[in-house]
Amino acid sequence: EADIYQTPRYLVIGTGKKITLECSQTMGHDKMYWYQQDPGMELHLIHYSYGVNSTEKGDLSSESTVSRIRTEHFPLTLESARPSHTSQYLCASSGLTGVSNTGELFFGEGSRLTVL
Amino acid sequence: KNEVEQSPQNLTAQEGEFITINCSYSVGISALHWLQQHPGGGIVSLFMLSSGKKKHGRLIATINIQEKHSSLHITASHPRDSAVYICAVSSGAQKLVFGQGTRLTINP
Repeated sequence: EADIYQTPRYLVIGTGKKITLECSQTMGHDKMYWYQQDPGMELHLIHYSYGVNSTEKGDLSSESTVSRIRTEHFPLTLESARPSHTSQYLCASSGLTGVSNTGELFFGEGSRLTVL
Repeated sequence: KNEVEQSPQNLTAQEGEFITINCSYSVGISALHWLQQHPGGGIVSLFMLSSGKKKHGRLIATINIQEKHSSLHITASHPRDSAVYICAVSSGAQKLVFGQGTRLTINP
């Protein structure tokens, strides 16, 4: 059973607001990822982390930032949301340590963001 | 050319048919993943392969490392199998490279 959680599932906010999308996993995985996906389109990596205090930008340019202060927590922050940020954001984890230590991927349910 | 190519992009079949989705990649990999995404839903990992073949229920995944090719098969397909199936490979710095996905529709 995958234990990776994202909140909020749905969020509608106005332009200029600061938002944080939360992602937590209880499997002790070292690797965590944030993907952006528009409806019917491919997944695009925006941030990833290979462990505490390790974060890297992904292939898709993003105005968001992430932090990894604890193994289980990988929040994504938009300082000033814009309509172009409207999308689904998916968090994932994998690892050779902790539960399900096979490198298999586990995804959260996603956070669907709408910026008006 | 994308590093991971899936075919077909769209597939419609009748219930009960045998389904094959293909994935070819051009990079060296440490593992290949098959993922499933239902409309409006999250993503579920179906298989992770580094060699050979794996089976789970009606799903079978194979990989040929020499040919850089993997296939996902569904036997006795059912409308609930309708989803987007995504091939992804782990390579190099362990980042994932995704295929564009195959949209499968199974009609009753």
